[in-house]
Order: sequence, then structure tokens, then C-alpha cells
Amino acid sequence: EDQVTQSPEALRLQEGESSSLNCSYTVSGLRGLFWYRQDPGKGPEFLFTLYSAGEEKEKERLKATLTKKESFLHITAPKPEDSATYLCAVWGSNYKLTFGKGTLLTVNP
Amino acid sequence: DSGVTQTPKHLITATGQRVTLRCSPRSGDLSVYWYQQSLDQGLQFLIQYYNGEERAKGNILERFSAQQFPDLHSELNLSSLELGDSALYFCASSIPIQGAASGSVSYNEQFFGPGTRLTVL
Repeated sequence: EDQVTQSPEALRLQEGESSSLNCSYTVSGLRGLFWYRQDPGKGPEFLFTLYSAGEEKEKERLKATLTKKESFLHITAPKPEDSATYLCAVWGSNYKLTFGKGTLLTVNP
Repeated sequence: DSGVTQTPKHLITATGQRVTLRCSPRSGDLSVYWYQQSLDQGLQFLIQYYNGEERAKGNILERFSAQQFPDLHSELNLSSLELGDSALYFCASSIPIQGAASGSVSYNEQFFGPGTRLTVL
């Protein structure tokens, strides 16, 4: 069974203080690893898809990287509007998307 | 706005009742997915439909069923509701991407709707 573990569960940063979120996974036949952002009471918002180890993608202050066992979401100089829960999910050979429980990021001004 | 719509936004009902949640995918998307999100379980995959046919099943209870209609909208039916069914229910859609020479189909990113908050009293 595919498994995704995200750490830390919660992270509090000061505005401008860069950090990284971790997503460790075990999956049979990785087809893709996804990062989503979710605001309270809303649907997850797609951020990135990574398909193979070594791949990197960037969007504004966010950068996602992938190895064979984990993915990192790097946040550079975060702003309060980056506060949200960040979800990682893996897409395996069973065609099912398995989500981690997320990291709740709070950025204080 | 992801382009995926869900109705209703909120639903309050009693135990033992039956409800229907509705989802309209993004224009052009053939696949629809249903998820349940509760505080303790996180986001759990329930079921997937592709162009009207069931494609994959997750942790969906026998009391729950879904279908996708010819116009590609989908409905999730929840029956004999229990207190523990209270949760956010999300629908997502995606375009399948044709694979390489093998003809396999891979699925790209999923776009989520705003969700239906179900409260069972």
C-alpha cells in the first residue's frame, strides 16, 4: 500500500524566514508526486507535479524537488499569504492518489 | 477558481438519511474523482470515474455509491448516514494523458472543487 508521511505537522515562520517541508513516500511504481496548497474550508489548489528523481519545479517563492524516497517543498522568503496547509500526494501504479496529512504553515508578519 | 463546481456547499441532515452530492468537472476533463476529508483521516480517495465508467476504487463504504453521467457530471450518493460520515467531500477532475508507444494512459494533475461540507446530526 502506498504511504506518504509529511513533516513537520506544523511550522511557524517569521516573514522572510526560508524553510523546507518534507514529504517521504513509499509507492509501487511512482507515476507522479504532487504538491497542493489548501486554505481552510477550501479545496486543494494544485501547485506542482514531479515525475522523476532529480526533477525540480519553481513557482514564485516555492520550489519542489524530488528524490527516490522523498520530496521537499522549499519556501524562500515567505509572506503571510503563504500561510496554508501544504499537501503532498503520490500517484502509483494502482491509479490512486494517496495524500499525506499535510504541513500547516503559518507565516507571521 | 479551478473550474470544478460542486453543489450544495453545505448539507445538514440526520442519521439514517440519504443525500446526493453533485460535481461538474472542468470543461474537457473526462475523469472525476471523489474524496472525503475529515480532521483525523486527512484526504481519502473514494472512487474515480473515467468517461462514465468506474476506473478505480479507494476506501469507499458500501453505503456510498457514485456514478458519472453522459454529460460527465458526477453524483456521490451517501445513504444510511452515520455521525462519522460528517466531513468535507471534494470532487476533482483531470485530463488523462496518453502514454508512449505502449498506449498506456497516465493521469495528470487533478483540479479540486470547493467541496461540500456534510454535517450529520
